[in-house]
Amino acid sequence: EVQLVESGGGWVQPGESLRLSCAASGFTFSSYWMTWVRQAPGKGLEWVAAIRQDGSEKNYADSVKGRFTVSRDNARNSLYLQMNSLRAEDTAVYYCARESRSGGTCDFDPWGQGTLVIVSS
Amino acid sequence: QLVLTQSPSASASLGVSVKLTCTLSSGHSSYAIAWHQQQPEKGPRYLMRVYSDGTFNKGDGIPDRFSGSSSGAERYLIISSLQSDDEADYYCQSWGSFGGGTKLTVL
Repeated sequence: EVQLVESGGGWVQPGESLRLSCAASGFTFSSYWMTWVRQAPGKGLEWVAAIRQDGSEKNYADSVKGRFTVSRDNARNSLYLQMNSLRAEDTAVYYCARESRSGGTCDFDPWGQGTLVIVSS
Repeated sequence: QLVLTQSPSASASLGVSVKLTCTLSSGHSSYAIAWHQQQPEKGPRYLMRVYSDGTFNKGDGIPDRFSGSSSGAERYLIISSLQSDDEADYYCQSWGSFGGGTKLTVL
């Protein structure tokens, strides 16, 4: 069974850092782009960052560029999101997802269950 | 810039069909999109990919009641024989863009 399990969420104060992890199983992790998506309380989905199979290409939303870093460890089947200089507006549930890039498009399937990050003083 | 537009809400009665719409911005009418379902207090679940020609590919385990279609820049999610647990938020997505989501209420 293909599975993604996020961890590392919690409560932090503005300006602090947090590192999220996503453990993948049930598929060849090193063969897929991976992505992070977040959802603020009561709001819609917002794409955050994506990373190529070998880590050689990374893309970020403008809202997190320069503060967040996506990385992966293919030997450990794990995806990471290092979040620095956190702001109140980063408060959200963070999901990791596997990307399916084919036919000129890109889907997110499957998704993890999410991990909650709260940034508040 | 790719923008996906969805109506904020929709409602339909148990047992009937409903059609949700996602509209692609100008210049992007050939793009395929994906539909995702998010039930209350749960993470999103991938439903299907819908192509510009109206063909669609569903995810694993998605019931036959769910289907997709297209017309021009519009992509549709059709849910037939509505059930109570179809009450959820439905998001369309293409690359790094999401629609705002449609909250479906089952009456």
